[in-house]
Amino acid sequence: DTAVSQTPKYLVTQMGNDKSIKCEQNLGHDTMYWYKQDSKKFLKIMFSYNNKELIINETVPNRFSPKSPDKAHLNLHINSLELGDSAVYFCASSHSAPLAGEQYFGPGTRLTVT
Amino acid sequence: DQQVKQNSPSLSVQEGRISILNCDYTNSMFDYFLWYKKYPAEGPTFLISISSIKDKNEDGRFTVFLNKSAKHLSLHIVPSQPGDSAVYFCAASATGGTSYGKLTFGQGTILTVHP
Repeated sequence: DTAVSQTPKYLVTQMGNDKSIKCEQNLGHDTMYWYKQDSKKFLKIMFSYNNKELIINETVPNRFSPKSPDKAHLNLHINSLELGDSAVYFCASSHSAPLAGEQYFGPGTRLTVT
Repeated sequence: DQQVKQNSPSLSVQEGRISILNCDYTNSMFDYFLWYKKYPAEGPTFLISISSIKDKNEDGRFTVFLNKSAKHLSLHIVPSQPGDSAVYFCAASATGGTSYGKLTFGQGTILTVHP
């Protein structure tokens, strides 16, 4: 009965590989997000989808590609992984405005690129 | 470039006393502010929010104050409890158009409440 779940929780991989992180929410929300928390602990938004439509796309390398098969899922695919991609990635979900600021976060996926 | 700042990396408080966490912002377009709490190995959890049309919002032991002229907000926890020990993130949003859900976070303040 987890509200927002992410898999895997930990991901260790080598430079140049391609990997995916999956996110699912069972809250009935229609907006989902991906955030990156870097080594300085800043949480920065990467993408946001509303009803499977991309609405926020921050300055993120195009090696990162989100995919939303339905409004309960938002997956993140990363091509050609680089050392700087090492971070904790959080998925979140919310209702649409005016409650979009109140976001529910998953537990995070710690990605380590070696 | 850092539009939301939490200048105190950590705060230590005795159980039962008040905890005051501070946050400053620079973007005058921000009109909706939130506080999130984060325990280790978990995602952030929404705590309390305030719209720029208010200067105070209270929810139980938690009160958020907003000073728009100073571009400053604070979170007061009274009384503090050991279970409040966590990282607290301030976040801000500009509610116009599709940017409503775009939160800009501060770097967090580690609160430790001692028994």
